[in-house]
Amino acid sequence: DAKTTQPPSMDCAEGRAANLPCNHSTISGNEYVYWYRQIHSQGPQYIIHGLKNNETNEMASLIITEDRKSSTLILPHATLRDTAVYYCIVREGIGNNNDMRFGAGTRLTVKP
Amino acid sequence: SAVISQKPSRDICQRGTSLTIQCQVDSQVTMMFWYRQQPGQSLTLIATANQGSEATYESGFVIDKFPISRPNLTFSTLTVSNMSPEDSSIYLCSVHQQGSGGYTFGSGTRLTVV
Repeated sequence: DAKTTQPPSMDCAEGRAANLPCNHSTISGNEYVYWYRQIHSQGPQYIIHGLKNNETNEMASLIITEDRKSSTLILPHATLRDTAVYYCIVREGIGNNNDMRFGAGTRLTVKP
Repeated sequence: SAVISQKPSRDICQRGTSLTIQCQVDSQVTMMFWYRQQPGQSLTLIATANQGSEATYESGFVIDKFPISRPNLTFSTLTVSNMSPEDSSIYLCSVHQQGSGGYTFGSGTRLTVV
């Protein structure tokens, strides 16, 4: 069973914020939320992850609701190079012995 | 973060033959993960490779079809055996990215079986 639900596609205007939602209503207490993206013909790229607090790095911000049942990845100023498939993954722990399971993701298209 | 060199980047192979894909990491890692991405689809985990032991395969993937080697902590190979057109996919390896919590992926091997 899928652990996350994402819209299949979204559009965003260049320069505007892109807000990508993810539903993970069955998340358990020790599961983290990870975001990756895959630009066409490349391997997936790690973006950010979080447990319950909001997180920010040089690429994006991650907002997790208080009940942890959903989250939003925010690209503050989307560029054409941000066009990609974005994957939200829920996974136990942050150790290196657990794999990443990918769902269908959201295809984000940034338009000029 | 870890840097992965994956070879070959692409290949066109005849059905019935085998192809071995290599992944070299610039640092020692405990686990390496192999994924398949069929055309237009998301990534599917094939197996997890731990140095010094047999790989652990996911449901639907078997060792005879996808033998994996893990001779040391920086290298792994995945072989796609007795290929058919249905094996045409992108194959990717991945390792845990120390310090960030995320995973680094190789650039992938685009395989076409004719």
